[in-house]
Amino acid sequence: DAKTTQPPSMDCAEGRAANLPCNHSTISGNEYVYWYRQIHSQGPQYIIHGLKNNETNEMASLIITEDRKSSTLILPHATLRDTAVYYCIVRAPYTNAGKSTFGDGTTLTVKP
Amino acid sequence: DADVTQTPRNRITKTGKRIMLECSQTKGHDRMYWYRQDPGLGLRLIYYSFDVKDINKGEISDGYSVSRQAQAKFSLSLESAIPNQTALYFCATSDFQGAKETQYFGPGTRLLVL
Repeated sequence: DAKTTQPPSMDCAEGRAANLPCNHSTISGNEYVYWYRQIHSQGPQYIIHGLKNNETNEMASLIITEDRKSSTLILPHATLRDTAVYYCIVRAPYTNAGKSTFGDGTTLTVKP
Repeated sequence: DADVTQTPRNRITKTGKRIMLECSQTKGHDRMYWYRQDPGLGLRLIYYSFDVKDINKGEISDGYSVSRQAQAKFSLSLESAIPNQTALYFCATSDFQGAKETQYFGPGTRLLVL
C-alpha cells in the first residue's frame, strides 16, 4: 500500500466546508483511496472511497487529482459532531484490509 | 455501527485472569478482524478471519487467541491477562468485493488489566 501524508490537525468553523488533504504521491494505478474517521474512542467509521473519479455520498465528497497523487475529503457543512480524527488510506485491490495502516490521520476540530 | 456489536463495553480484570471479548455482526460479512488501539500507536491487527474455517495471526497475536464460532461471531481471548494488554479493542467486519474492501467497526471494548 502506498504511504499517505496528512496534516496533523485542522480547524473549521461550524457550517463551513471542511477540506482535508491527503498526499499519496507513490500511489499505483490500481490502488483505491479510502477515508475513515474516528470520533473520540469510538470505532473508526467508513466515509468514502474512490479510484480515479470524484465521488460523493451522503457524508462527504472525495476529490482525487488527475495524477492521483493527492486527494481531498470535503465535508460540505461541518457540524460539531464532525470533530474527529480523519484517516486517509491507500490500498491495492485484492489485498487484506486488515493490514492497512491507520496512521496518525488529521484531527479535525469544528468550532462554533 | 449497530450492525457490529461488542461485549462487554468495559472490563476490569486482574493479572493472570482469562477473559473473553465477544463480537457479533448482522452484516453477513465473511471477513472479521480484531484490533487493539493504544494511545499514539494507532490500530494494530491482532487476528483476522476470512471465513469460519480460516483464522490468521496479525502483527501482535502473542498472548491472544480467537474463535470463529459462526459467520456472525468472532471472539478474542486473553489467556492470561497482563497489564500491558490494557487497551481499547475493536472488532471489525469487511465487505470484500474483490477490488474493493470496506471495513465496519464495532464500538470498542475498553479493557483495564490491574
